[in-house]
Amino acid sequence: GAVVSQHPSRVICKSGTSVKIECRSLDFQATTMFWYRQFPKQSLMLMATSNEGSKATYEQGVEKDKFLINHASLTLSTLTVTSAHPEDSSFYICSASDTQGPGGYTFGSGTRLTVV
Amino acid sequence: AQSVTQLDSQVPVFEEAPVELRCNYSSSVSVYLFWYVQYPNQGLQLLLKYLSGSTLVESINGFEAEFNKSQTSFHLRKPSVHISDTAEYFCAVSGRGAQKLVFGQGTRLTINP
Repeated sequence: GAVVSQHPSRVICKSGTSVKIECRSLDFQATTMFWYRQFPKQSLMLMATSNEGSKATYEQGVEKDKFLINHASLTLSTLTVTSAHPEDSSFYICSASDTQGPGGYTFGSGTRLTVV
Repeated sequence: AQSVTQLDSQVPVFEEAPVELRCNYSSSVSVYLFWYVQYPNQGLQLLLKYLSGSTLVESINGFEAEFNKSQTSFHLRKPSVHISDTAEYFCAVSGRGAQKLVFGQGTRLTINP
């Protein structure tokens, strides 16, 4: 089946630094990928939709300059949290629209970001 | 636009008891419906989905859900739960032809021995 690999699984960074999270589709081409943010004991909040070769579409209230998304190839999308602050600490999850028919989405395993 | 409401934030049950996790949705267009499971510090795994056809869909691990259009519901059921079913369960909806998934708030299922 379709597999999405997300790295790193955990990262701790200092306030003011930037962190890059990678999301790769391993055995299929993903023209569209999605980035979610999940606060403790809460649901997933869609941050942006990433389309290969074009600019990402951000949801209302998500800072484009803060959360940079790049989808340069059909198998890789990256999320860069720039100038991270403690309030950016969260669980970030990517998903890709896979090839298993309509409504097919495969999720990465998530990245726990802690900003200290 | 679509929205999803999971009526119970937490559901504690005893092992081998039946369970129902409730999900209601709102949409002005036809939808696809999903149930995902999330174990601690992990991503989401698809349990089952309704796209079309039979309104009762089943997963390989004993869960089933029934699409009820008149009640706009997609409740998840299992006749006998196991300790390993302890997890967070999310109901989600997307409009047909759209790609965005909208998630419910999640239901934490806790199985007590």
